[in-house]
Amino acid sequence: SAVISQKPSRDICQRGTSLTIQCQVDSQVTMMFWYRQQPGQSLTLIATANQGSEATYESGFVIDKFPISRPNLTFSTLTVSNMSPEDSSIYLCSVDPTGLNYGYTFGSGTRLTVV
Amino acid sequence: DAKTTQPPSMDCAEGRAANLPCNHSTISGNEYVYWYRQIHSQGPQYIIHGLKNNETNEMASLIITEDRKSSTLILPHATLRDTAVYYCIVRDPTDSWGKLQFGAGTQVVVTP
Repeated sequence: SAVISQKPSRDICQRGTSLTIQCQVDSQVTMMFWYRQQPGQSLTLIATANQGSEATYESGFVIDKFPISRPNLTFSTLTVSNMSPEDSSIYLCSVDPTGLNYGYTFGSGTRLTVV
Repeated sequence: DAKTTQPPSMDCAEGRAANLPCNHSTISGNEYVYWYRQIHSQGPQYIIHGLKNNETNEMASLIITEDRKSSTLILPHATLRDTAVYYCIVRDPTDSWGKLQFGAGTQVVVTP
């Protein structure tokens, strides 16, 4: 299975600022996925990032708030922009290393607190 | 719309089998059943998946009913490290986007 390095592991940020989260995979993958997990809740898919094209966002998430970059097949970033306390969550990236649509691997997450 | 229904929580004694149910009455012919778990403060971990036949691997067994409207994940000998939220997900693996949608899951607590 793939190994994902996600940075930072946690951060405390001031409202109105932005934070960029990095996701590095040890193998090339076609798609990378970004999730949000609000306190005490399940995971919600934010967007799908395909190398060489714009990310596809799920309902309720917009590019201006969560811009995503996917410069190559092993790396992606998610930016949380103009943060408010409601953005306090765990953000996780995920990949499908097999390309067979099972056995998705997840990063350990970025725990974000906005004050 | 939720495709699966799971009990919100269940307890299990250490060393005993844990049987986790999942209802997916609207599952379509192309959709598989996937199980993931999330241990506290970690990302989700893949456990097992199946279409219609029962499946077993080193972590668990998956039993799918003949009509495929429900399934059971079995942890044969639960340990304290199996305490986690378990997610049952149904999806079509030919879906080109390949994304996973998580429901609320079942919080499993394994007690000594």
